[in-house]
Amino acid sequence: QKEVEQNSGPLSVPEGAIASLNCTYSDRGSQSFFWYRQYSGKSPELIMSIYSNGDKEDGRFTAQLNKASQYVSLLIRDSQPSDSATYLCAVNPPPSGGSYIPTFGRGTSLIVHP
Amino acid sequence: ETGVTQSPTHLIKTRGQQVTLRCSSQSGHNTVSWYQQALGQGPQFIFQYYREEENGRGNFPPRFSGLQFPNYSSELNVNALELDDSALYLCASSDPGGPNEKLFFGSGTQLSVL
Repeated sequence: QKEVEQNSGPLSVPEGAIASLNCTYSDRGSQSFFWYRQYSGKSPELIMSIYSNGDKEDGRFTAQLNKASQYVSLLIRDSQPSDSATYLCAVNPPPSGGSYIPTFGRGTSLIVHP
Repeated sequence: ETGVTQSPTHLIKTRGQQVTLRCSSQSGHNTVSWYQQALGQGPQFIFQYYREEENGRGNFPPRFSGLQFPNYSSELNVNALELDDSALYLCASSDPGGPNEKLFFGSGTQLSVL
């Protein structure tokens, strides 16, 4: 059973702080990793993807990947109230029948308070 | 570029009924995946269609079935509805490019089974 684990939270941070969201996965052969943001009642929106060990930065967002530890994280710098949402970690395991089917974690709820 | 569209946005059915949900993929995308998201959970993979053929299926019973049409739009059909089928149903389109392919989600259909 391929699993993606996230702490459901809520994670509460003050405005301007760094929010750190974490995700672990069980399938060591997984090849690509994604972070989606989902506002309440809305659909998920892709915000970051990472494929190699190390850090990847995009604006206020940094994704970090450590394949040896089977760990991926998302850092949000200078957190804003508009960042308050659920953040879903998704992992692409090795292909099944030629197709890549991402597995999602249950998401971490982030609350940024003024 | 046209995004992923789903219809209807909300639906109320009673136990035992049948329902059909529809999805139009993003322009240029030939793969459609369907996910079920229960409240407080991450999206669970139902199945994927690539060029009108089922290309992968999650752990859902046969009463969940689907179709993809030549224009790459798709339907999700659920027979003999159960109370536990109440959830947000998400359609995502992608352009298969290996392990790094990204999902683009529609706005979802909120199904309530009474």
